[in-house]
Amino acid sequence: KAGVTQTPRYLIKTRGQQVTLSCSPISGHRSVSWYQQTPGQGLQFLFEYFSETQRNKGNFPGRFSGRQFSNSRSEMNVSTLELGDSALYLCASSRRGADYNEQFFGPGTRLTVL
Amino acid sequence: QKEVEQNSGPLSVPEGAIASLNCTYSDRGSQSFFWYRQYSGKSPELIMFIYSNGDKEDGRFTAQLNKASQYVSLLIRDSQPSDSATYLCAVRPNTGNQFYFGTGTSLTVIP
Repeated sequence: KAGVTQTPRYLIKTRGQQVTLSCSPISGHRSVSWYQQTPGQGLQFLFEYFSETQRNKGNFPGRFSGRQFSNSRSEMNVSTLELGDSALYLCASSRRGADYNEQFFGPGTRLTVL
Repeated sequence: QKEVEQNSGPLSVPEGAIASLNCTYSDRGSQSFFWYRQYSGKSPELIMFIYSNGDKEDGRFTAQLNKASQYVSLLIRDSQPSDSATYLCAVRPNTGNQFYFGTGTSLTVIP
């Protein structure tokens, strides 16, 4: 069974630009969560989607947004990039919705903002 | 106050020893607790999870939960150099489906 895939794996952008990251969950998994990982802050929750609906949102500005498609694939968008947005962006999928226990992480997208 | 706190380390143990990793959390209503391992340059992978007070064993790994004291720990017996990684503690609160992660403890097992 294929794991969680994320594209692209690496991105270099400049301040003010926008970026879209993609995540394909494990087949059969309907929940996708997004995290930002930085050396200083660790893994921070961005948002979670289940059946095309955003169910939870972390404490990030509105520049960070996401969506989920009917096939459970998810995208996240960051607009007006700032230097501090440089990070590893991880998505994680899980099978169920309200009571899932296991999250499986993708390899991540390394975003560098210059 | 951070939701989940871990000693960042680094923690060094000799091969064959027991490595002990600790985590405290602030939300007393938290229900589920997870340990992830993250190798350098890789994504986190789930080692085990625990819900009930006490110990849960899985091979060389034992998770310990004490809800009254709001801490969860991970013991790694017979530590191997391949266990060298960053260990992340995650907590899922009683409400909501998001996970709160600690910043991780770096473990080095010395051959």
